[in-house]
Amino acid sequence: DVKVTQSSRYLVKRTGEKVFLECVQDMDHENMFWYRQDPGLGLRLIYFSYDVKMKEKGDIPEGYSVSREKKERFSLILESASTNQTSMYLCASSSRTGEVHETQYFGPGTRLLVL
Amino acid sequence: GNSVTQMEGPVTLSEEAFLTINCTYTATGYPSLFWYVQYPGEGLQLLLKATKADDKGSNKGFEATYRKETTSFHLEKGSVQVSDSAVYFCALRGELTGGGNKLTFGTGTQLKVEL
Repeated sequence: DVKVTQSSRYLVKRTGEKVFLECVQDMDHENMFWYRQDPGLGLRLIYFSYDVKMKEKGDIPEGYSVSREKKERFSLILESASTNQTSMYLCASSSRTGEVHETQYFGPGTRLLVL
Repeated sequence: GNSVTQMEGPVTLSEEAFLTINCTYTATGYPSLFWYVQYPGEGLQLLLKATKADDKGSNKGFEATYRKETTSFHLEKGSVQVSDSAVYFCALRGELTGGGNKLTFGTGTQLKVEL
């Protein structure tokens, strides 16, 4: 059974803290993604990676960075957390098969509260 | 750029009622279209997909037909159950998105099914 896991389900941090969100997939997928989900805005892509050490900005990369040192792991970093980064963060992965419609598999999400 | 518009919720139905959730899109070329479902407290799961015009995706009693002439991919189910209560996201994967397979999501529609 395919699996994407995220390091925490709930996280509370203070403004200015450095925050690490970890995502691990066990499907040997090339592509990995970080989204944030906010009411009324749906899912917005923060960053994605299509290979180890490769990363590309999504639609809202400001205030975030990512790291992909191993194929199975994709980390999202908030260098200095701010209250407007309070959100649900979702990680996803997919295979790069050359076909247009590869399915993305999602983790359970991390609900981050920044005080 | 690509965009997805879906009807706002919440949609509240009685059990066994007919469900339609509207979704329209803007994209160049021939995108692939998806419906994802998010049950309470969980990440997103793929519900169904369609990769070319006139394709019908179906799963768990849900159906959606890719209509290029109306740029739509409406989700339907003939008889909803309480267990269908969730948030439903329409999404598209554009034809030309470079590395990875980025998805563009709608804002989500919450469905509540009551006895």
